[in-house]
Amino acid sequence: QQQVKQSPQSLIVQKGGISIINCAYENTAFDYFPWYQQFPGKGPALLIAIRPDVSEKKEGRFTISFNKSAKQFSLHIMDSQPGDSATYFCAASTGNNRKLIWGLGTSLAVNP
Amino acid sequence: NAGVMQNPRHLVRRRGQEARLRCSPMKGHSHVYWYRQLPEEGLKFMVYLQKENIIDESGMPKERFSAEFPKEGPSILRIQQVVRGDSAAYFCASSPGQEAFFGQGTRLTVV
Repeated sequence: QQQVKQSPQSLIVQKGGISIINCAYENTAFDYFPWYQQFPGKGPALLIAIRPDVSEKKEGRFTISFNKSAKQFSLHIMDSQPGDSATYFCAASTGNNRKLIWGLGTSLAVNP
Repeated sequence: NAGVMQNPRHLVRRRGQEARLRCSPMKGHSHVYWYRQLPEEGLKFMVYLQKENIIDESGMPKERFSAEFPKEGPSILRIQQVVRGDSAAYFCASSPGQEAFFGQGTRLTVV
């Protein structure tokens, strides 16, 4: 079963708008939640990450909101730009192993 | 500090041949992870290694796949007797502890 569920599968946003991508998880032992950005033909690049003891983390135009009771977290991209057009993945890991369990990705297109 | 280096970037193998994928982690990183990505899908964990040790290989197929991270040199993911279903992008990540940094991947095509 998919331990990390990501939605939507694809998203189209106008330039300057807010892009919102959501993830839900099952395993309450997860304690690290990163978001990655991937361009075609490239490897995933770490954008921002959060731990469950914090409800929100902001870095530049990127914000993670975390709801521990609902087992959900989301990525908000403010003032979306065409250069943000990429696939975004949420992930989760636990303990000392740190292997990442991934969502299936969201393809974001920002129209100019 | 160079990033995670993977080579080759593209690899074409005929069915039945062997594929060797190499990964040099970032300097100072002792944790290496291998992931596989099929088209239009997310990444799937394969194996987690530290120097000379396999820590977790729960995502590795039981047959034909092996991985190593020797004391000296890069980590190697080896696929023996490749089949068409092995065609995918294989990504290596290295980590000093928690944050994982990815290479550009090796795109394996089995013909």
